[in-house]
Amino acid sequence: DAGVIQSPRHEVTEMGQEVTLRCKPISGHNSLFWYRQTMMRGLELLIYFNNNVPIDDSGMPEDRFSAKMPNASFSTLKIQPSEPRDSAVYFCASSPPGGANTGELFFGEGSRLTVL
Amino acid sequence: DQQVKQNSPSLSVQEGRISILNCDYTNSMFDYFLWYKKYPAEGPTFLISISSIKDKNEDGRFTVFLNKSAKHLSLHIVPSQPGDSAVYFCAAKGGGADGLTFGKGTHLIIQP
Repeated sequence: DAGVIQSPRHEVTEMGQEVTLRCKPISGHNSLFWYRQTMMRGLELLIYFNNNVPIDDSGMPEDRFSAKMPNASFSTLKIQPSEPRDSAVYFCASSPPGGANTGELFFGEGSRLTVL
Repeated sequence: DQQVKQNSPSLSVQEGRISILNCDYTNSMFDYFLWYKKYPAEGPTFLISISSIKDKNEDGRFTVFLNKSAKHLSLHIVPSQPGDSAVYFCAAKGGGADGLTFGKGTHLIIQP
């Protein structure tokens, strides 16, 4: 079975450019999470969708960040304009119905973003 | 304010010995605790979990212990194998937050 698929795996861009990260959750999973990993802050939750609806976006750093989930099989995280401090690894994770009870999440391989 | 803390950034253990990874938390409303393992250039993968109503959960070489009064949990790996070399994240569910709250991780190195 395919796991969570993220693209691109690596992105290098210049400050001020728009960045779009993509995620395909595991089929049948109804919860989707975007996390960011940095050395300083570790893994931080950015936003959480349930049944394609954003439930909690309190972790989104600022208005430059936005996320969408137009359907059950696709989500995007957009940064516009990007800044060097946005450099991090961005992970997408999904969980099945009932998975919220135990908290188990299935992670993608991550998108490493470098903003110059 | 970090609610889940892993105070050891790294740990080196000889192959065949026991590895003990520690985690402390501050939020008494957490109801599940999980350990994730992460290899370089890969996403974290689920390893083992424990409900807050239990004090021990065992799965093969991996055992997680929970001490609620001390707000402390630990992961024991015995015997340690070279393939166990990875970053281990402690995570907690509940406490009024969606998703999981993660510690910063401990890099376990198994020495041959």
